[in-house]
Amino acid sequence: KNQVEQSPQSLIILEGKNCTLQCNYTVSPFSNLRWYKQDTGRGPVSLTIMTFSENTKSNGRYTATLDADTKQSSLHITASQLSDSASYICVVSDDKKTSYDKVIFGPGTSLSVIP
Amino acid sequence: KAGVTQTPRYLIKTRGQQVTLSCSPISGHRSVSWYQQTPGQGLQFLFEYFSETQRNKGNFPGRFSGRQFSNSRSEMNVSTLELGDSALYLCASSPEISGWETQYFGPGTRLLVL
Repeated sequence: KNQVEQSPQSLIILEGKNCTLQCNYTVSPFSNLRWYKQDTGRGPVSLTIMTFSENTKSNGRYTATLDADTKQSSLHITASQLSDSASYICVVSDDKKTSYDKVIFGPGTSLSVIP
Repeated sequence: KAGVTQTPRYLIKTRGQQVTLSCSPISGHRSVSWYQQTPGQGLQFLFEYFSETQRNKGNFPGRFSGRQFSNSRSEMNVSTLELGDSALYLCASSPEISGWETQYFGPGTRLLVL
């Protein structure tokens, strides 16, 4: 069964510190993986999207890595800010043009950045 | 370019009632998809509309329905509300069908069923 798991479920860090969020998936065949940031009560906003041939992709202080062999991805946040407090959702697709019912959403990691 | 808009942003209903949610996609986007998000289940796909036709459907009961108008605006209807329907309902638009790489989400409608 295609699944996406994320860890940790929740995380609290001090402002200015770095953190890494994990995403493990069993989706096969794999096409691409996307990280979303979702502020409380808002819709998800895309941070990065990676295909199986990409190992690293950055978006400002956010850096996503992908290991298609081990089926793992991580999202690294550098020099965290209070505005980074949000839920981070990992989403995996088995085909570039797959229908939405086959896109697998992870449960999300809730990040709280405290001063 | 304006983003995806959803109305209303918050809604309180009682069991047994029905509700209609509205979504206006980004200008030029013809695909509108709907999702339910709950703390326990995460984001779950409801259905996708493209050119006024339902193209894909998730695993939800028939109480959940939708439609799309010629201007690409979409509405979602839930009949005979149950307590478990309390959730954040998100819509997303894309220029193409099943274009999840080019998909943008709206802010959501928070529905509370009492």
